[in-house]
Amino acid sequence: NAGVTQTPKFRVLKTGQSMTLLCAQDMNHEYMYWYRQDPGMGLRLIHYSVGEGTTAKGEVPDGYNVSRLKKQNFLLGLESAAPSQTSVYFCASGRDGEKLFFGSGTQLSVL
Amino acid sequence: QQQVKQSPQSLIVQKGGISIINCAYENTAFDYFPWYQQFPGKGPALLIAIRPDVSEKKEGRFTISFNKSAKQFSLHIMDSQPGDSATYFCAASMFGHGNKLVFGAGTILRVKS
Repeated sequence: NAGVTQTPKFRVLKTGQSMTLLCAQDMNHEYMYWYRQDPGMGLRLIHYSVGEGTTAKGEVPDGYNVSRLKKQNFLLGLESAAPSQTSVYFCASGRDGEKLFFGSGTQLSVL
Repeated sequence: QQQVKQSPQSLIVQKGGISIINCAYENTAFDYFPWYQQFPGKGPALLIAIRPDVSEKKEGRFTISFNKSAKQFSLHIMDSQPGDSATYFCAASMFGHGNKLVFGAGTILRVKS
Protein backbone atom coordinates (compact mmCIF):
# COMPACT_ATOMS: atom_id res chain seq x y z
CA ASN A 1 0.00 0.00 0.00
CA ALA A 2 1.82 3.11 -1.26
CA GLY A 3 -0.37 5.76 0.43
CA VAL A 4 0.37 9.20 -1.01
CA THR A 5 3.03 9.40 -3.71
CA GLN A 6 4.52 12.66 -4.96
CA THR A 7 6.61 13.10 -8.08
CA PRO A 8 9.17 14.45 -8.62
CA LYS A 9 11.05 14.52 -5.31
CA PHE A 10 13.43 17.29 -6.36
CA ARG A 11 13.37 19.87 -9.13
CA VAL A 12 15.31 22.97 -10.09
CA LEU A 13 13.63 25.50 -12.35
CA LYS A 14 14.68 28.76 -13.92
CA THR A 15 12.48 31.80 -13.43
CA GLY A 16 9.63 31.74 -15.92
CA GLN A 17 9.66 28.00 -16.54
CA SER A 18 6.59 25.89 -15.93
CA MET A 19 6.14 22.53 -14.30
CA THR A 20 3.54 20.16 -12.88
CA LEU A 21 3.75 18.30 -9.59
CA LEU A 22 1.85 15.05 -9.43
CA CYS A 23 0.16 13.61 -6.36
CA ALA A 24 -1.37 10.14 -6.39
CA GLN A 25 -3.20 8.37 -3.55
CA ASP A 26 -4.41 4.79 -3.42
CA MET A 27 -6.69 5.07 -0.37
CA ASN A 28 -9.83 6.15 -2.24
CA HIS A 29 -9.86 9.46 -0.33
CA GLU A 30 -12.26 12.22 -1.33
CA TYR A 31 -10.25 15.13 0.06
CA MET A 32 -6.87 16.17 -1.32
CA TYR A 33 -4.67 19.16 -0.49
CA TRP A 34 -1.52 20.92 -1.63
CA TYR A 35 0.57 22.67 1.02
CA ARG A 36 3.86 24.50 0.87
CA GLN A 37 6.30 24.44 3.77
CA ASP A 38 8.70 27.31 4.39
CA PRO A 39 11.00 27.78 7.41
CA GLY A 40 9.25 29.47 10.31
CA MET A 41 5.89 29.54 8.53
CA GLY A 42 4.55 26.04 8.99
CA LEU A 43 2.45 24.57 6.22
CA ARG A 44 0.27 26.87 4.18
CA LEU A 45 -2.60 25.63 2.06
CA ILE A 46 -2.32 26.38 -1.66
CA HIS A 47 -5.37 24.63 -3.17
CA TYR A 48 -7.60 21.77 -2.19
CA SER A 49 -10.26 19.44 -3.57
CA VAL A 50 -13.24 17.83 -1.87
CA GLY A 51 -13.87 15.36 -4.68
CA GLU A 52 -13.19 14.41 -8.27
CA GLY A 53 -13.67 17.37 -10.58
CA THR A 54 -13.67 19.96 -7.78
CA THR A 55 -10.97 22.42 -6.74
CA ALA A 56 -10.86 25.44 -4.45
CA LYS A 57 -8.37 28.08 -3.38
CA GLY A 58 -6.52 27.93 -0.11
CA GLU A 59 -4.51 30.53 1.75
CA VAL A 60 -1.75 31.14 -0.84
CA PRO A 61 -3.13 30.24 -4.31
CA ASP A 62 -1.51 32.96 -6.45
CA GLY A 63 0.82 31.62 -9.14
CA TYR A 64 -0.53 28.05 -8.88
CA ASN A 65 -3.24 26.06 -10.62
CA VAL A 66 -4.62 22.62 -9.86
CA SER A 67 -6.70 19.89 -11.44
CA ARG A 68 -8.49 16.82 -10.09
CA LEU A 69 -9.62 14.94 -13.19
CA LYS A 70 -9.37 11.57 -11.46
CA LYS A 71 -10.19 10.86 -7.83
CA GLN A 72 -6.76 9.42 -7.11
CA ASN A 73 -4.72 12.23 -8.67
CA PHE A 74 -4.25 15.88 -7.76
CA LEU A 75 -1.96 17.96 -9.96
CA LEU A 76 -0.31 21.24 -8.98
CA GLY A 77 0.91 23.48 -11.79
CA LEU A 78 3.26 26.43 -11.84
CA GLU A 79 2.76 28.34 -15.08
CA SER A 80 5.64 30.81 -14.71
CA ALA A 81 7.88 29.95 -11.78
CA ALA A 82 9.24 32.70 -9.54
CA PRO A 83 12.00 32.57 -6.89
CA SER A 84 9.31 33.14 -4.23
CA GLN A 85 7.95 29.70 -5.11
CA THR A 86 11.10 28.01 -3.88
CA SER A 87 9.73 25.73 -1.18
CA VAL A 88 8.94 22.19 -0.15
CA TYR A 89 5.56 21.11 -1.46
CA PHE A 90 3.43 18.52 0.27
CA CYS A 91 0.36 16.77 -0.97
CA ALA A 92 -2.09 15.27 1.50
CA SER A 93 -5.28 13.25 1.30
CA GLY A 94 -8.01 12.30 3.74
CA ARG A 95 -11.30 10.43 3.90
CA ASP A 96 -13.09 13.25 5.65
CA GLY A 97 -10.54 16.03 5.65
CA GLU A 98 -9.52 15.45 9.28
CA LYS A 99 -6.87 12.75 9.54
CA LEU A 100 -4.58 13.65 6.66
CA PHE A 101 -1.98 11.42 5.08
CA PHE A 102 0.96 13.32 3.63
CA GLY A 103 3.36 12.46 0.85
CA SER A 104 7.11 12.76 1.35
CA GLY A 105 7.33 16.13 -0.37
CA THR A 106 8.82 17.80 -3.44
CA GLN A 107 11.75 20.13 -2.93
CA LEU A 108 11.56 22.87 -5.56
CA SER A 109 14.19 25.51 -6.22
CA VAL A 110 13.52 28.38 -8.60
CA LEU A 111 16.64 30.22 -9.69
CA GLN B 1 -2.68 36.83 9.70
CA GLN B 2 -1.61 33.76 11.57
CA GLN B 3 -4.69 32.00 12.90
CA VAL B 4 -2.74 29.48 14.98
CA LYS B 5 0.26 30.70 16.96
CA GLN B 6 2.73 28.11 18.18
CA SER B 7 5.54 28.37 20.72
CA PRO B 8 8.39 27.83 21.29
CA GLN B 9 10.13 27.74 17.91
CA SER B 10 12.64 25.24 19.26
CA LEU B 11 13.00 23.17 22.39
CA ILE B 12 15.77 21.09 23.91
CA VAL B 13 14.81 18.54 26.54
CA GLN B 14 16.81 15.95 28.43
CA LYS B 15 15.93 12.30 27.94
CA GLY B 16 13.20 11.35 30.36
CA GLY B 17 11.98 14.93 30.73
CA ILE B 18 8.66 16.49 29.76
CA SER B 19 8.36 18.40 26.48
CA ILE B 20 5.62 21.03 26.33
CA ILE B 21 4.54 22.85 23.18
CA ASN B 22 1.82 25.47 23.22
CA CYS B 23 -0.64 26.78 20.65
CA ALA B 24 -3.21 29.55 20.66
CA TYR B 25 -5.97 30.11 18.15
CA GLU B 26 -8.25 33.00 17.28
CA ASN B 27 -11.21 31.53 15.41
CA THR B 28 -13.80 30.19 17.86
CA ALA B 29 -15.41 28.22 15.01
CA PHE B 30 -12.48 25.79 14.99
CA ASP B 31 -13.68 22.39 16.22
CA TYR B 32 -10.81 20.01 15.56
CA PHE B 33 -7.27 20.36 16.88
CA PRO B 34 -4.62 17.87 15.74
CA TRP B 35 -0.90 17.64 16.32
CA TYR B 36 1.37 16.42 13.55
CA GLN B 37 4.91 15.05 13.88
CA GLN B 38 7.45 15.44 11.11
CA PHE B 39 10.85 13.78 10.78
CA PRO B 40 13.51 15.22 8.43
CA GLY B 41 12.83 14.39 4.80
CA LYS B 42 9.35 13.06 5.54
CA GLY B 43 5.86 14.42 5.40
CA PRO B 44 3.96 15.24 8.61
CA ALA B 45 2.06 12.41 10.28
CA LEU B 46 -0.91 12.70 12.63
CA LEU B 47 0.14 12.17 16.22
CA ILE B 48 -2.94 12.92 18.31
CA ALA B 49 -6.05 15.10 18.01
CA ILE B 50 -8.75 16.57 20.24
CA ARG B 51 -12.18 18.18 19.94
CA PRO B 52 -13.29 21.10 22.15
CA ASP B 53 -15.83 19.04 24.10
CA VAL B 54 -13.04 17.49 26.20
CA SER B 55 -10.22 19.16 28.14
CA GLU B 56 -7.62 16.44 27.82
CA LYS B 57 -6.75 13.48 25.65
CA LYS B 58 -3.95 11.02 26.32
CA GLU B 59 -2.40 8.47 24.00
CA GLY B 60 0.60 6.72 25.48
CA ARG B 61 3.24 9.32 26.37
CA PHE B 62 1.45 12.06 24.42
CA THR B 63 -1.24 14.25 25.97
CA ILE B 64 -3.21 17.19 24.59
CA SER B 65 -4.53 19.71 27.10
CA PHE B 66 -7.29 21.98 25.81
CA ASN B 67 -8.52 25.25 27.32
CA LYS B 68 -11.55 26.45 25.37
CA SER B 69 -12.05 29.70 27.30
CA ALA B 70 -8.43 30.73 26.77
CA LYS B 71 -8.42 29.45 23.17
CA GLN B 72 -5.24 27.51 23.86
CA PHE B 73 -4.09 23.93 23.58
CA SER B 74 -0.82 22.21 24.29
CA LEU B 75 1.06 19.00 23.64
CA HIS B 76 2.85 17.27 26.50
CA ILE B 77 5.37 14.52 25.77
CA MET B 78 6.13 12.56 28.92
CA ASP B 79 9.38 10.65 29.38
CA SER B 80 10.79 12.25 26.23
CA GLN B 81 13.07 10.02 24.17
CA PRO B 82 15.72 10.81 21.52
CA GLY B 83 13.41 9.17 18.98
CA ASP B 84 10.89 11.94 19.70
CA SER B 85 13.29 14.48 18.17
CA ALA B 86 11.26 15.95 15.30
CA THR B 87 9.29 19.00 14.26
CA TYR B 88 5.82 19.25 15.79
CA PHE B 89 2.96 21.20 14.27
CA CYS B 90 -0.32 22.10 15.91
CA ALA B 91 -3.27 22.73 13.63
CA ALA B 92 -6.95 23.60 13.68
CA SER B 93 -9.91 23.24 11.37
CA MET B 94 -13.65 23.76 11.28
CA PHE B 95 -16.21 21.31 9.93
CA GLY B 96 -17.28 22.02 6.38
CA HIS B 97 -15.51 24.46 4.03
CA GLY B 98 -13.24 21.58 2.95
CA ASN B 99 -12.18 20.90 6.55
CA LYS B 100 -9.05 22.89 5.80
CA LEU B 101 -6.30 22.54 8.38
CA VAL B 102 -4.53 25.73 9.48
CA PHE B 103 -1.08 24.96 10.83
CA GLY B 104 1.10 26.63 13.41
CA ALA B 105 4.69 27.56 12.50
CA GLY B 106 6.16 24.42 14.05
CA THR B 107 8.44 23.54 16.97
CA ILE B 108 11.75 21.77 16.49
CA LEU B 109 12.22 19.39 19.41
CA ARG B 110 15.56 17.90 20.28
CA VAL B 111 15.79 15.33 23.04
CA LYS B 112 19.31 14.95 24.40
CA SER B 113 20.40 11.51 25.53
